[in-house]
Amino acid sequence: DIQMTQSPSFLSASVGDRVTINCKASQNINKYLNWYQQKLGEAPKRLIYNTNNLQTGIPSRFSGSGSGTDYTLTISSLQPEDFATYFCLQHNSFPDTFGAGTKLELK
Amino acid sequence: EVQLVESGGGLVQPGRSMKLSCAASGFTFSNYGMAWVRQAPTKGLEWVATISYDGSSTYYRDSVKGRFTISRDNAKSTLYLQMNSLRSEDTATYYCTRQNPGGFAYWGQGTLVTVSS
Repeated sequence: DIQMTQSPSFLSASVGDRVTINCKASQNINKYLNWYQQKLGEAPKRLIYNTNNLQTGIPSRFSGSGSGTDYTLTISSLQPEDFATYFCLQHNSFPDTFGAGTKLELK
Repeated sequence: EVQLVESGGGLVQPGRSMKLSCAASGFTFSNYGMAWVRQAPTKGLEWVATISYDGSSTYYRDSVKGRFTISRDNAKSTLYLQMNSLRSEDTATYYCTRQNPGGFAYWGQGTLVTVSS
């Protein structure tokens, strides 16, 4: 199985900050990398699919980049509603595997 | 609006069985593959099982093969997960998800399964 190493595990930031979250795959995943947001008690929500495609309805302050084994989620200017847990998913190789998650907290 | 609503979770003793359901609405259920993903307390997410749009193909993670069965009723727009011989390590919140070409697109809110004596 492909291992997804996500960093950091915790991130403390302020409203208006620019933040980045990283996922590193144990092998090339050909840009088949998604990012999700999860708030406590809610269903995970897909933000970005296939590295850099913004899900309909997701604000443009969210963006994704990367290739090969290294991928990044960027939030350009944090809003109060963005404080949540984020995780990545690779769907290049069976079985799909997830990063361990990044909890984004208010500083 | 796509909605996925899981049910059937709860407390179950080790070795016993439990069946989860996921009621889908807001899309043509029979057009999509579906999957179950779980998250143990304080742990990461892991894929559990997938079923093709018509139910003809199923796939399982190794740790549940032979114990779990994924199925669907397209007439009722419902996905199922029959879980037998449950173990403590199966304790998790189980999410129903819709498969898209771009990976898991939509998720339910999850149902908690606790395996404990």
